[in-house]
Amino acid sequence: GQNIDQPTEMTATEGAIVQINCTYQTSGFNGLFWYQQHAGEAPTFLSYNVLDGLEEKGRFSSFLSRSKGYSYLLLKELQMKDSASYLCAVEDNYGQNFVFGPGTRLSVLP
Amino acid sequence: EAQVTQNPRYLITVTGKKLTVTCSQNMNHEYMSWYRQDPGLGLRQIYYSMNVEVTDKGDVPEGYKVSRKEKRNFPLILESPSPNQTSLYFCASLTQDNEQFFGPGTRLTVL
Repeated sequence: GQNIDQPTEMTATEGAIVQINCTYQTSGFNGLFWYQQHAGEAPTFLSYNVLDGLEEKGRFSSFLSRSKGYSYLLLKELQMKDSASYLCAVEDNYGQNFVFGPGTRLSVLP
Repeated sequence: EAQVTQNPRYLITVTGKKLTVTCSQNMNHEYMSWYRQDPGLGLRQIYYSMNVEVTDKGDVPEGYKVSRKEKRNFPLILESPSPNQTSLYFCASLTQDNEQFFGPGTRLTVL
């Protein structure tokens, strides 16, 4: 079966660093994605990992370990506008079928 | 401007009344997909299409139909909507770099 787990909610302080974890068990694997979704809006793409290791993009970094079925999204220098849900998704290898986790709601406090 | 558009954005309907939600993209993407989003369940893929006239079931296809007669359009059809199809629906298209662009969403209520 397909299963992706993320913490439901997290809280952090403005200016801090937060790590959002994602574990997955899927029938296939062709890449892992992170999306940001503000309340009432569409998800927007943040990162894509295919190989093990860390991908850095400005204040956001994403890490992947394929052998452990594990990824994390690291957000640095948190800003109030980072308050949103963060969605982890896996592309399995059966023709681009995407499986999303339930999302992690991050609240950034002043 | 590169975008994915959906119509309508909001719809309230009654059980059994056929409806279509349109989706259009102007980026010449081959891959398009439909998702529904429900609290606590996240985004679940309904159908996807890798190119014109090629469609495949996602994880929750029951009660839905799609068609892909041309590259830019990928309508979602509910032949006989039921209350359990009340949800927030997103259409998306995929770049060659595997980045999904999502439409603004359609909030559907079936009474």
